[in-house]
Amino acid sequence: AQRVTQPEKLLSVFKGAPVELKCNYSYSGSPELFWYVQYSRQRLQLLLRHISRESIKGFTADLNKGETSFHLKKPFAQEEDSAMYYCALSNRNFGNEKLTFGTGTRLTIIP
Amino acid sequence: KAGVTQTPRYLIKTRGQQVTLSCSPISGHRSVSWYQQTPGQGLQFLFEYFSETQRNKGNFPGRFSGRQFSNSRSEMNVSTLELGDSALYLCASSLERGRGGYNEQFFGPGTRLTVL
Repeated sequence: AQRVTQPEKLLSVFKGAPVELKCNYSYSGSPELFWYVQYSRQRLQLLLRHISRESIKGFTADLNKGETSFHLKKPFAQEEDSAMYYCALSNRNFGNEKLTFGTGTRLTIIP
Repeated sequence: KAGVTQTPRYLIKTRGQQVTLSCSPISGHRSVSWYQQTPGQGLQFLFEYFSETQRNKGNFPGRFSGRQFSNSRSEMNVSTLELGDSALYLCASSLERGRGGYNEQFFGPGTRLTVL
């Protein structure tokens, strides 16, 4: 069974400080990992995916298969980063589009 | 491109009734997935449809069902509503993976269902 764990329900960080949102997963196959974000009164949207290894809005996430982790990081938090963040996992096989989500972390940036 | 749309946005029903929610995917997307979002359980996968066929199913009772039409629009139905079915129901669409796409799902705004 696939599972995603986000240990922190709430995280408060001062503006300009580094941010790290933790995500651990359990999955026996070859997973795809994603971070989704939901800003206030907006729809859930993809922030980044491990396959592309890109940086979006200053956020990066590295897949660590040894530690089965996919933590989201940003060196300097900004007020507009306040949002709900979800880590999600998907099976890479064709025909399996199911996303398994973590319970989410609400990030609040303190001005 | 227009995003994923869901109708209605809000619904109030009473226990025992049934409800149908609608989702129109992004043009060209053939996969439509449904999720239930609640404060207690978070986001949980309901089912996924591709080319009018249910391809994946989550762990929900048979009262939850869905279908997809030839234009990829999808509906989900919940029969014999219970108080615990109160939730935000999200629809997401994605490209067919075989065309070089990966599983990036685009979400709609959701339908807020309240069961009284």
